[in-house]
Formats: sequence, structure tokens, C-alpha cells
Amino acid sequence: EMQLVQSGAEVKKPGESLKISCKGSGYSFSSYWIGWVRQMPGKGLEWMGIIYPGDSDTRYNASFEGQVTISVDKSISTAYLQWSSLKASDTAMYYCARFKAVAGTAYGMDVWGQGTTVTVSS
Amino acid sequence: DIVMTQSPDSLAVSLGERATINCKSSQSVLYSSNNKNYLAWYQQNPGQPPKLLIYWASTRESGVPDRFSGSGSGTDFTLTISSLQAEDVAVYHCHQYYTTPGTFGQGTRLEI
Repeated sequence: EMQLVQSGAEVKKPGESLKISCKGSGYSFSSYWIGWVRQMPGKGLEWMGIIYPGDSDTRYNASFEGQVTISVDKSISTAYLQWSSLKASDTAMYYCARFKAVAGTAYGMDVWGQGTTVTVSS
Repeated sequence: DIVMTQSPDSLAVSLGERATINCKSSQSVLYSSNNKNYLAWYQQNPGQPPKLLIYWASTRESGVPDRFSGSGSGTDFTLTISSLQAEDVAVYHCHQYYTTPGTFGQGTRLEI
């Protein structure tokens, strides 16, 4: 079974750093892009960025570039999303998802992690 | 960035009736090299991650009931649920993946 399993909920203070993870299994992790999506409380989905584990090619939404860092360790089939200095406005649910693109044709985000809740509060 | 606008924001439909959700993109998402619209629909139940229902605007993901259908091309798209079931109560999101960054609609809440 293809799945993405994310790390657990986090409660942090403003200014703290954080790295959350997304571990893939049941498919060739290196061969599919992994995207990160933010959902603020009661709001819609926001595409933050995407990484290709095979070569670490990374693309960011300009709205998030410089605010977060997306990385991957393909040896352990795990992608990461990290912050160096959290703000209260980073409070949200964060999802990772596999972006299926095969032989030059894209399909959409077909496998999703369960989500990681990040709460930033003093 | 491509802006995706869904309508309506919320919708109440009786069990067994048809539900229709619209999604409009600010520019075409038709990929000319393969004539596919890079538009997906997701269903999100409360407390759950989104689930892919439809890709290429009209192709159902494996396991998705055939009461769900997608249509449209270019900039205007529709998700239709032909006969609403209780388990279809959810928020529905459209998503264009024609460009990077991908962008989502604001979501449509579907209620009984």
C-alpha cells in the first residue's frame, strides 16, 4: 500500500525552529515529486512547494520562499519541511502529498499524508 | 500565479439529488502537447486530508464512485455528484497543476 506518514503534532513558541517529516512507503519514493500544502484553520489549501527526491530539485511558491525550507533524504524515503524562526501566523495543518507525474504527463496529488498540526503560541 | 475561483462557497443538496460545483481558472490549464487539462478535484472530509477524486478534469481516480464526474476544458470546469449520498458531505477543492506553483480554489462546502 502506498502511503505517506507524517510526524506528530508540534507546539512551539514564536522564534523557535522546527522540522517536520513525511516518510513514504509502498512505491519508488525517488521517482515522484513530494509537495507540501498548508491549510490554516478553517481555510483552503495553499501549495507551498515541491521537491523531486531523485535529484532534490525544489520549486517554491514565491509566497513561501525564504520562509520555509523543503529538503529530502532519499536514503530513508523522507521529505522535510522546516522553519528557522516560527511565527504565530505559521499555525496551521501541513500536508505532504505525492505529485504523480509519469512520462511527461501529470496526474495530480494522489497520495496524501495524514497531516501535521503546528501550533505556534507564546 | 493562476487564480482558481470556485462557486458556490457552500451548497446544500437533498439526498439523492444532483450537486454541481464550478471552478474557473484565470488562464487556460489545457496542456497543448497532450491535450489534457491539468485540473484536479479533491474531497476533504472533516479532520481528514484531501482525497483525489478526478484528474485531467474528467478522469476518475481508481475506486471513486461513478456518481462523481468532472467536465470542462480550458478555464471552466464542473464537478457533478449525480445522486448525493450522506457520505459525500465534505469540502471540495479544485486544483490546477498546469503551472508551478500549483493553486487551489477556495473550497466549496457541500451539506445535506
